[in-house]
Amino acid sequence: NAGVMQNPRHLVRRRGQEARLRCSPMKGHSHVYWYRQLPEEGLKFMVYLQKENIIDESGMPKERFSAEFPKEGPSILRIQQVVRGDSAAYFCASSPGTDNEKLFFGSGTQLSVL
Amino acid sequence: QKEVEQNSGPLSVPEGAIASLNCTYSDRGSQSFFWYRQYSGKSPELIMSIYSNGDKEDGRFTAQLNKASQYVSLLIRDSQPSDSATYLCAVNKDTGRRALTFGSGTRLQVQP
Repeated sequence: NAGVMQNPRHLVRRRGQEARLRCSPMKGHSHVYWYRQLPEEGLKFMVYLQKENIIDESGMPKERFSAEFPKEGPSILRIQQVVRGDSAAYFCASSPGTDNEKLFFGSGTQLSVL
Repeated sequence: QKEVEQNSGPLSVPEGAIASLNCTYSDRGSQSFFWYRQYSGKSPELIMSIYSNGDKEDGRFTAQLNKASQYVSLLIRDSQPSDSATYLCAVNKDTGRRALTFGSGTRLQVQP
């Protein structure tokens, strides 16, 4: 039973390029959450999605960031025109979508912007 | 005031001792509370959840919740060097929203 799968594990981009981070939830989970973590800091909520719907994007920066969770395939977090301040670990988590609010995290993508 | 506050530490305890980790939250309407463990460079791992006032025990871990005082704590008995990690407190402020709000974590060091 595979856990939450994220890829790539490490992503290096130059300023101005686009970053695409992928997340496949655990089998049977229909809810996906994206969090960002800076060194020595906690996890900052970005966006919560269900299949084909964005439920809560209150933590997403207003520009350059977008997320989707299509009917087929993984959830994608897209960062356009990356800047050095975007360098962080991006974690995806999933939950089954019942009353269970417990989140299960993927291994994260470490984004480095040169 | 941060929504979820934790002392960043490091909290250093000798092997075999009890480690006590504390967390306070600002939203009195918070419903669900979680403790995650995160090893350096790894993803957070859920270790405890608690929903009602009082204590909840699971092996060497005990979570304590006091909604009137708005704090939640985690006790680790018989601490082992392998418990050395950052412990993140997480709170669900709104059951409808479902997304957790995390504290910045407390780094625990268990000295052999």
